[in-house]
Amino acid sequence: AQSVSQHNHHVILSEAASLELGCNYSYGGTVNLFWYVQYPGQHLQLLLKYFSGDPLVKGIKGFEAEFIKSKFSFNLRKPSVQWSDTAEYFCAVNPGGGSARQLTFGSGTQLTVLP
Amino acid sequence: NAGVTQTPKFQVLKTGQSMTLQCAQDMNHEYMSWYRQDPGMGLRLIHYSVGAGITDQGEVPNGYNVSRSTTEDFPLRLLSAAPSQTSVYFCASSPDSLGNQPQHFGDGTRLSIL
Repeated sequence: AQSVSQHNHHVILSEAASLELGCNYSYGGTVNLFWYVQYPGQHLQLLLKYFSGDPLVKGIKGFEAEFIKSKFSFNLRKPSVQWSDTAEYFCAVNPGGGSARQLTFGSGTQLTVLP
Repeated sequence: NAGVTQTPKFQVLKTGQSMTLQCAQDMNHEYMSWYRQDPGMGLRLIHYSVGAGITDQGEVPNGYNVSRSTTEDFPLRLLSAAPSQTSVYFCASSPDSLGNQPQHFGDGTRLSIL
């Protein structure tokens, strides 16, 4: 079974700092990749997704992620964070051509942005 | 457009009690699922359904039952609550069951078992 690793459990940044959250997965075939965000007390919301094509994916709220197949990575980036970006971020992977039940989440990264 | 609706939002149970967490979606999605979220562990799949009348177990099914009598509803039943089931539960739905579309999540149910 595939696994998803998010190595940063808690990241603390000041406003306007740049952000990069790591995500690595262990699956050798084609994959569908997702980043979800969970604001305090809310449900998970989709930030961006990658299925195929351009490996640099742009999502909502200025976030982007780059799929690097050779590194099995799908890191999330944002050039300048805001206090409102404080949330927990989850990377998720689903094998391409598989089943939705195979969606696997990382353990999450808590981002705290200091004003 | 309500999306995925979960009730209740909060619940406290005593060990051994049973209860049902409700989930409904109004998007005509064929795929529905239940996850539990525990600190440091991400989301783990409890049960899922690929359509009305079809359900199957996920990664952590023990102690839970589900049914899917309609496309819209996918309730999760705790048969005899245990403290280990203290968690936040999320219901999700997706237009397809192949994993080629993102899942839409409800607001969650925070459940405490005493």
